[in-house]
Amino acid sequence: AQTVTQSQPEMSVQEAETVTLSCTYDTSESDYYLFWYKQPPSRQMILVIRQEAYKQQNATENRFSVNFQKAAKSFSLKISDSQLGDAAMYFCAYRSGGYGGATNKLIFGTGTLLAVQP
Amino acid sequence: KAGVTQTPRYLIKTRGQQVTLSCSPISGHRSVSWYQQTPGQGLQFLFEYFSETQRNKGNFPGRFSGRQFSNSRSEMNVSTLELGDSALYLCASSLASGPNYGYTFGSGTRLTVV
Repeated sequence: AQTVTQSQPEMSVQEAETVTLSCTYDTSESDYYLFWYKQPPSRQMILVIRQEAYKQQNATENRFSVNFQKAAKSFSLKISDSQLGDAAMYFCAYRSGGYGGATNKLIFGTGTLLAVQP
Repeated sequence: KAGVTQTPRYLIKTRGQQVTLSCSPISGHRSVSWYQQTPGQGLQFLFEYFSETQRNKGNFPGRFSGRQFSNSRSEMNVSTLELGDSALYLCASSLASGPNYGYTFGSGTRLTVV
C-alpha cells in the first residue's frame, strides 16, 4: 500500500523569506502523481502544485516549486517570497496513475501547519 | 463558474441518529469523491462516484454510504452515528474518473456528534 509522510507538523517563516516543506512517500508503482494542497481556515482544499512521476522536470507555479527526487521518493515544496496569505495547512498527496476504480483516490500525508510571521 | 458546493456547512447530531450530507459538483464534472478529515486519522478516502456508480470505496464501515444522481450531485449518509464520526467531510469533484483529471474540493461539512 502507498503511504505519504510529512515529518514537519509545524513550520514558521518570515514574510518575504523562503521555506521548504518536506514530504516522502512509499510506493511500488512507477506511474503516479504527486500533489501539494493548501487548506486555509476556510477549510477548502486548494491545489498548489502537481507533479507527474514520469516527468523529470520539477513543477513550478509562480512562487511555488517542488524538488522531486523519484529515486529517494521525496517531494518537497519550496515557497519563495512568503506572503501572509500563504499561512495554512499544507498537505502532500499521492495518486496512482492507473485507471482502475481502486486507484481513483488521493492518499494524504498528515499535513504541515505553516505560519508566516510579518 | 460556481465551485463545489457542500451543504450544510455545519451540523450537530446526537449519537444513534443518521445524517445526510450533500455535494454539488462543478457544472460538467461527473466524478465526485468524499473524504473524512479528523485530527486523529487525518484525511481518509470514503468513496468515489462516477456516472451514478460507486467506483471505489475506502475502509469504512457499512454505516457510511453514498449515492450519485443523474445530475452528478452526490449525497453521503451516515447511519447510527457514533462520537467518532465527528469530522470535517470534504467533497471533491472531477471532470471524469482518471489520473489526468484534477480534483476541486468544496469547503466541507463540519459534523459534530454529541
